Amino acid sequence: DAGVTQSPTHLIKTRGQQVTLRCSPKSGHDTVSWYQQALGQGPQFIFQYYEEEERQRGNFPDRFSGHQFPNYSSELNVNALLLGDSALYLCASSLAGGPANEKLFFGSGTQLSVL
Amino acid sequence: KQEVTQIPAALSVPEGENLVLNCSFTDSAIYNLQWFRQDPGKGLTSLLLIQSSQREQTSGRLNASLDKSSGRSTLYIAASQPGDSATYLCAVRGSGGSNYKLTFGKGTLLTVNP
Repeated sequence: DAGVTQSPTHLIKTRGQQVTLRCSPKSGHDTVSWYQQALGQGPQFIFQYYEEEERQRGNFPDRFSGHQFPNYSSELNVNALLLGDSALYLCASSLAGGPANEKLFFGSGTQLSVL
Repeated sequence: KQEVTQIPAALSVPEGENLVLNCSFTDSAIYNLQWFRQDPGKGLTSLLLIQSSQREQTSGRLNASLDKSSGRSTLYIAASQPGDSATYLCAVRGSGGSNYKLTFGKGTLLTVNP
């Protein structure tokens, strides 16, 4: 049973460029959340997708956008990259509905470096 | 605004010791609290999830407690092993029908020395 997979694992970009990160949820999961983790910090919530819609958004600018596809996979897009966007980007999947399904499963992340 | 604090920031113990990691949160209106483990440069692994109506959860050598009214949780690790070395993160999900996000602490870096 494949867990949450993210690609690419590492990425180097320059300021002003755009980047797309990809996530495939754990088999059977229908909800995908994205988190940004700066070095030495806890993960910060970016947004969550369910039924191909953004269900909730954290305190991130509009430069951060996402998409969920019919097969539940998801993309995170970041435009006009800033140095401060350098971080580990984590994708987490879960199954919507009920306390028993609350446990999140995280991927290994995409390490983004902006130069 | 929910804030989560973890103490200590780092902890180094000899193998075999029992230890306690602490987590506090400012808003007691939570839906659940989770403890995660993170190895360097890796994603998070869920260890224990405590619903707001529960007081504790156990899994093997791990025991997590929750005191929602005082805004505190502890993670107890019995008979620590070098393989337990990792960063341990606490996260809460706020209550309310449209709140799905987890708010994380900065973590406790645990080193278990052989």
